[in-house]
Amino acid sequence: GDSVTQMEGPVTLSEEAFLTINCTYTATGYPSLFWYVQYPGEGLQLLLKATKADDKGSNKGFEATYRKETTSFHLEKGSVQVSDSAVYFCALSDPGGGSQGNLIFGKGTKLSVKP
Amino acid sequence: ETGVTQTPRHLVMGMTNKKSLKCEQHLGHNAMYWYKQSAKKPLELMFVYSLEERVENNSVPSRFSPECPNSSHLFLHLHTLQPEDSALYLCASSQEIGGAVNTEAFFGQGTRLTVV
Repeated sequence: GDSVTQMEGPVTLSEEAFLTINCTYTATGYPSLFWYVQYPGEGLQLLLKATKADDKGSNKGFEATYRKETTSFHLEKGSVQVSDSAVYFCALSDPGGGSQGNLIFGKGTKLSVKP
Repeated sequence: ETGVTQTPRHLVMGMTNKKSLKCEQHLGHNAMYWYKQSAKKPLELMFVYSLEERVENNSVPSRFSPECPNSSHLFLHLHTLQPEDSALYLCASSQEIGGAVNTEAFFGQGTRLTVV
């Protein structure tokens, strides 16, 4: 079945450091890929998305490129801020696959950014 | 109000109690979901409603009972819960397009449930 694997956390960085959170997926169809972010005490918010191969999603300085050849959707940011501290979830939606279009989430990666 | 609103934000209940969680979406979406988020597991999809009909129930115990009276409201009725049901319960909504039930979901802030 469809699944998402993302790097285990927690990840601790200093302010202005470069961030990469790895995400790989398996899917039977042609999925859309998402990154969601959950700030402390909040629900999930969509951070960015990509709907087809080679698309790049970007928002708030974060970027991720849909790589079909490596089935990956790694999240990157060039210079993190303390306010980026949150849990980041990689997810896919695969309408033609076993999940019937429902969102499948990775386990989440907690990011802590120190001043 | 805009977005997805969940009430209450926090709930403590005994194992013999009956309570309900409420979710309301103001986005004009036609699909709504309940997710469970616990410390030890990834986000678990519990129920999916599309056009007010339940389309998926991921083997959730019968002590959880969903209700979707219209496209804007979703309830989760709780009875005789166990301590291991303590978790953050998240509601989400999305617009079904072309048969894809969940293309981009918008989440509420969740209800933090503690069963004692």
